[in-house]
Amino acid sequence: EDQVTQSPEALRLQEGESSSLNCSYTVSGLRGLFWYRQDPGKGPEFLFTLYSAGEEKEKERLKATLTKKESFLHITAPKPEDSATYLCAVRITDSWGKLQFGAGTQVVVTP
Amino acid sequence: DAGVIQSPRHEVTEMGQEVTLRCKPISGHNSLFWYRQTMMRGLELLIYFNNNVPIDDSGMPEDRFSAKMPNASFSTLKIQPSEPRDSAVYFCASSQTLTEQYFGPGTRLTVT
Repeated sequence: EDQVTQSPEALRLQEGESSSLNCSYTVSGLRGLFWYRQDPGKGPEFLFTLYSAGEEKEKERLKATLTKKESFLHITAPKPEDSATYLCAVRITDSWGKLQFGAGTQVVVTP
Repeated sequence: DAGVIQSPRHEVTEMGQEVTLRCKPISGHNSLFWYRQTMMRGLELLIYFNNNVPIDDSGMPEDRFSAKMPNASFSTLKIQPSEPRDSAVYFCASSQTLTEQYFGPGTRLTVT
């Protein structure tokens, strides 16, 4: 069965304290891994798409990487405005675009 | 572009009443998705439309739920009759086929 697991469930960081979030997946044929950010009371906001092992994408303090079994979202020198829930999702072969989402990692960055 | 638009943003209704949620996708997108998010189950896909045609409704929980997309710029999700366990945040998302999905702000539904 296809599964997407995110860890940790929650992460509390001091401002400037870099860390990484993990998204591990067991799917039969990956056709894209997606990272989203969700603020309270809002819809998920698209961040990155990764397609192949070794691929990396960056945006401001965020960097996403992909291996054959997992993806990492690195947060470098976070600021309080990086506080959010980060969701990863995978799209599998032979699907029409359906995404399977992980449960998310709630990140809190304190000043 | 205004992004995906959903209405209403909040809905409070009594058990047994009909609820209709509305969505306007991003112009030019030909795929539309309805999701439900709860603390217990996370983000679940309910139904997917491509070019206004329902492609996969396997996530629709039961016959009380129905969705339509009469044209490329409008979709509805209807619950009739509503039950307290339907309380959740409902999101609409749109994309071009096989590209990233863009989510609306959601409708928070409370059924008492």
